[in-house]
Amino acid sequence: AQSVAQPEDQVNVAEGNPLTVKCTYSVSGNPYLFWYVQYPNRGLQFLLKYITGDNLVKGSYGFEAEFNKSQTSFHLKKPSALVSDSALYFCAVRVPGAGSYQLTFGKGTKLSVIP
Amino acid sequence: EAGVAQSPRYKIIEKRQSVAFWCNPISGHATLYWYQQILGQGPKLLIQFQNNGVVDDSQLPKDRFSAERLKGVDSTLKIQPAKLEDSAVYLCASSFVSGGYNEQFFGPGTRLTVL
Repeated sequence: AQSVAQPEDQVNVAEGNPLTVKCTYSVSGNPYLFWYVQYPNRGLQFLLKYITGDNLVKGSYGFEAEFNKSQTSFHLKKPSALVSDSALYFCAVRVPGAGSYQLTFGKGTKLSVIP
Repeated sequence: EAGVAQSPRYKIIEKRQSVAFWCNPISGHATLYWYQQILGQGPKLLIQFQNNGVVDDSQLPKDRFSAERLKGVDSTLKIQPAKLEDSAVYLCASSFVSGGYNEQFFGPGTRLTVL
């Protein structure tokens, strides 16, 4: 079975500082990894994904994530946080193969950027 | 392009009543997903359609939940009868193909409250 862990329920960071939202996964096989963001009363919005290739993935709104196979991690990062980045962030994993392409989500991390 | 549409946005019912949710995916997206997101948790897949066929409904409580996707476009999710624990946000998502590496596009969700 595949699973995702987001060890921090909440992350607080000052505006202009770098931010990191942590994600670790457990799968059998090579994973596809995704980050989504959810603003209040809105659906999830896709930020970035890792499928194969370069371990550093760049996505929307200046976010990036680094795939680390040895540590089974896919942490989300941004060099300089904005107040508008405050939202709920979800990491998700999928194992490629035939049949269902079920996306398993973590429980989410609430990011608060303090002005 | 237009996003995933869902209606209603909010619904309040009493336990043992029935309720239905509607989803219109992005045009051309063959794969459609219904997720249940309970407060404080990540979304959980209920059912996945590929065109009008069911690919995965392993986590759908089939004694009370049903879903259909007639003509491979719009979809409805029904709960009958509802229980208190069904209170959640129901998210619909779609993707272009079910290759597993394609990101899913989410609608705004329907917030269901069961009293």
